[in-house]
Amino acid sequence: AQSVTQLGSHVSVSEGALVLLRCNYSSSVPPYLFWYVQYPNQGLQLLLKYTSAATLVKGINGFEAEFKKSETSFHLTKPSAHMSDAAEYFCAQADRGSTLGRLYFGRGTQLTVWP
Amino acid sequence: GAGVSQSPSNKVTEKGKDVELRCDPISGHTALYWYRQRLGQGLEFLIYFQGNSAPDKSGLPSDRFSAERTGESVSTLTIQRTQQEDSAVYLCASSLLGLANTGELFFGEGSRLTVL
Repeated sequence: AQSVTQLGSHVSVSEGALVLLRCNYSSSVPPYLFWYVQYPNQGLQLLLKYTSAATLVKGINGFEAEFKKSETSFHLTKPSAHMSDAAEYFCAQADRGSTLGRLYFGRGTQLTVWP
Repeated sequence: GAGVSQSPSNKVTEKGKDVELRCDPISGHTALYWYRQRLGQGLEFLIYFQGNSAPDKSGLPSDRFSAERTGESVSTLTIQRTQQEDSAVYLCASSLLGLANTGELFFGEGSRLTVL
């Protein structure tokens, strides 16, 4: 069965510190992978996605994620946190096969940024 | 409209009542999805519509849940005889050509359902 695991439901960092949000996927075939962000009182929006090209994917707002097949991971990073990064982050995967359209989401990680 | 629109934004109902949630996708988007987000949990897939194809209903948790979509426009999610465990935020999303082509879903802000 497909599953996405996000390690840590809450992550707190100081402004300017490195942000690292962990995501591991479960699939025998490398899936499509996504990071979505949900700011307070807003809908989810796409941060970045991996579909099979470069393993290091750059997204909006300075975020990037690296696909590592050997670790079945797709961790999200940002070198320097900003107060405006405080939000909930969701990792998601989708099959490359017939079940198109179905995203499997992790439980989310709430990022807090301290001044 | 400019984005995915959902209504109502908040709904409080009594156990046993029926509720209807509405989603207006982005114009021209052929694919439409419903997800459920319970407190402290990830997004749970409910149903997927793609053009005129038969919808993927595999995520609907019980026969109390149903959804319809008129062509490539509005969708309604109906929950009959609501139970307290149905309390959640119901999210609608749409995409242009389905996941394989764009990989990006555009989400609405959700409808928060509270069943007393």
